[in-house]
Amino acid sequence: GAVVSQHPSRVICKSGTSVKIECRSLDFQATTMFWYRQFPKKSLMLMATSNEGSKATYEQGVEKDKFLINHASLTLSTLTVTSAHPEDSSFYICSADPGSYGNTIYFGEGSWLTVV
Amino acid sequence: ELKVEQNPLFLSMQEGKNYTIYCNYSTTSDRLYWYRQDPGKSLESLFVLLSNGAVKQEGRLMASLDTKARLSTLHITAAVHDLSATYFCAVTDDKIIFGKGTRLHILP
Repeated sequence: GAVVSQHPSRVICKSGTSVKIECRSLDFQATTMFWYRQFPKKSLMLMATSNEGSKATYEQGVEKDKFLINHASLTLSTLTVTSAHPEDSSFYICSADPGSYGNTIYFGEGSWLTVV
Repeated sequence: ELKVEQNPLFLSMQEGKNYTIYCNYSTTSDRLYWYRQDPGKSLESLFVLLSNGAVKQEGRLMASLDTKARLSTLHITAAVHDLSATYFCAVTDDKIIFGKGTRLHILP
């Protein structure tokens, strides 16, 4: 089946620094990718919809300047957490819609971010 | 606003028993998804249901969709410990909205 790769799987960074998470669709092109955040034992919260070649669409309450999303190609979207704080520590998951390639939405492996 | 409600949110059951997880959603949608999540892991796609009356089965899991009632069910038959996980349903509008998840714990 289709594969979505996310990197890094785990990252620890210091407060005030920025960290980038990559999401790649390995065997299909994705004009749309989604970024989610998940707290322990909670559901997935949609942060933004990443559109190839245009600006991301952010959900209400998500800071655009803090969570920078770039969808530079049909197989790559990146999420950059800028000026990270401990409260940004979370599990971040991306997903990609393969369009005509398949019916389901495929998820990356997720990235654990710990800000110390 | 599209809302997705799952119940129960937590389920503890004995091996060998049958049970059903329910997923209600608030507006029309052309796709309903079921995913499984193990602790510390990402989501694994289980089923995609596309039309009214759709039924899909994989092993001990069976999912169905009633678009008129805006209801999907995930039925577990003769549960085994390996099925312990959190199960999410999700529905598409112009984006994918998830239910809160059902934490399933199957006792050996």
